[in-house]
Amino acid sequence: KNQVEQSPQSLIILEGKNCTLQCNYTVSPFSNLRWYKQDTGRGPVSLTIMTFSENTKSNGRYTATLDADTKQSSLHITASQLSDSASYICVVSSSDYKLSFGAGTTVTVRA
Amino acid sequence: EPEVTQTPSHQVTQMGQEVILRCVPISNHLYFYWYRQILGQKVEFLVSFYNNEISEKSEIFDDQFSVERPDGSNFTLKIRSTKLEDSAMYFCASSGMTGVGQPQHFGDGTRLSIL
Repeated sequence: KNQVEQSPQSLIILEGKNCTLQCNYTVSPFSNLRWYKQDTGRGPVSLTIMTFSENTKSNGRYTATLDADTKQSSLHITASQLSDSASYICVVSSSDYKLSFGAGTTVTVRA
Repeated sequence: EPEVTQTPSHQVTQMGQEVILRCVPISNHLYFYWYRQILGQKVEFLVSFYNNEISEKSEIFDDQFSVERPDGSNFTLKIRSTKLEDSAMYFCASSGMTGVGQPQHFGDGTRLSIL
């Protein structure tokens, strides 16, 4: 069964600090891995998409890494801002259409 | 920036009734999706739709559910004979010309409450 596991479940960081979120997956076959940001009460918003051949991708202060051999990914947030408070969801695609979602990591940034 | 819009934002329905959730995808997108998120749980894939037919569906998407693109702009999810466990947030998404590696753009969801 395709699984996407994220850690930690939640974390609290001070504004300006960095943090790293982890994602392990067992989805097969693998097409691509995505990180989404979901603000409370809103739909997910795409941050990065990585295919098998890519091992890092950045979007502003967000940097995602992918190790397809170990089936692990991370999302690094640099110089956190209050607006970064949200749930960050790792999503793995096994086809063009079907996405498997992790449970998300809830990040709270405090002033 | 173009957005996916969903209506209503909140739907309250009596158990056993039928509901139709509506979505307007981004205008030049060709791939459409429905997901649901039960409170406190993961987002779950329901169905994908391309070229006026279902491309892929999950085991959740049984005969109780159907999708339609009635007029070239709206994309609807119909749930028949609703049950208490259908209460969830339902998200519509769309993506561009090709599905491979294209970001799916999500609406803000419809919260469905079954009483």
